[in-house]
Amino acid sequence: GAVVSQHPSRVICKSGTSVKIECRSLDFQATTMFWYRQFPKQSLMLMATSNEGSKATYEQGVEKDKFLINHASLTLSTLTVTSAHPEDSSFYICSASWTAENEKLFFGSGTQLSVL
Amino acid sequence: AQSVAQPEDQVKVAEGNPLTVKCTYSVSGNPYLFWYVQYPNRGLQFLLKYITGDNLVKGSYGFEAEFNKSQTSFHLKKPSALVSDSALYFCAVRPYTGRRALTFGSGTRLQVQP
Repeated sequence: GAVVSQHPSRVICKSGTSVKIECRSLDFQATTMFWYRQFPKQSLMLMATSNEGSKATYEQGVEKDKFLINHASLTLSTLTVTSAHPEDSSFYICSASWTAENEKLFFGSGTQLSVL
Repeated sequence: AQSVAQPEDQVKVAEGNPLTVKCTYSVSGNPYLFWYVQYPNRGLQFLLKYITGDNLVKGSYGFEAEFNKSQTSFHLKKPSALVSDSALYFCAVRPYTGRRALTFGSGTRLQVQP
């Protein structure tokens, strides 16, 4: 089946630094990728929709200048958390849609971000 | 806007017994419905989906779900639970047309006791 690779799986950083999370579709081309955020014991909240070659579409309440999304190729989308603060600590999950089965999203394994 | 409700935070069943994890949804038009499972510190794994056709959908690991349009429900079921089924289960919906991002329920933690 289709595989989505997300890296790193865990990152600890100091407050004020920036962190980049990568999401790759390994065996298919993903024109659209989605970034979700999950707080402990809560559901996944959509942050933004990333379209290859164009600007991401952010959900209401998500700061686009803080969560920079780049989708430069059909197999790679990145999420950069800029000037991270402890309240940004969360589990971030990407997902990608495979055009051959576009009613099924494939999810990365997630990134646990801890900001000290 | 669409929404998903999973009324139970936790479901406990004994191994070998049938299990049901409840889900109701709200969406404009016809829905695409999904179930995903999440193990600790992991991403989501696809279990099954409903798009159209037979209301009873069979998925991975012996799970199935029944789409009930009149009750706007999509409950997840398995005839005989395994301890290894213990995990967090998410129901999700998206409209037939329009935005492709999924809206997730709050999740239900399934605990299968030996």
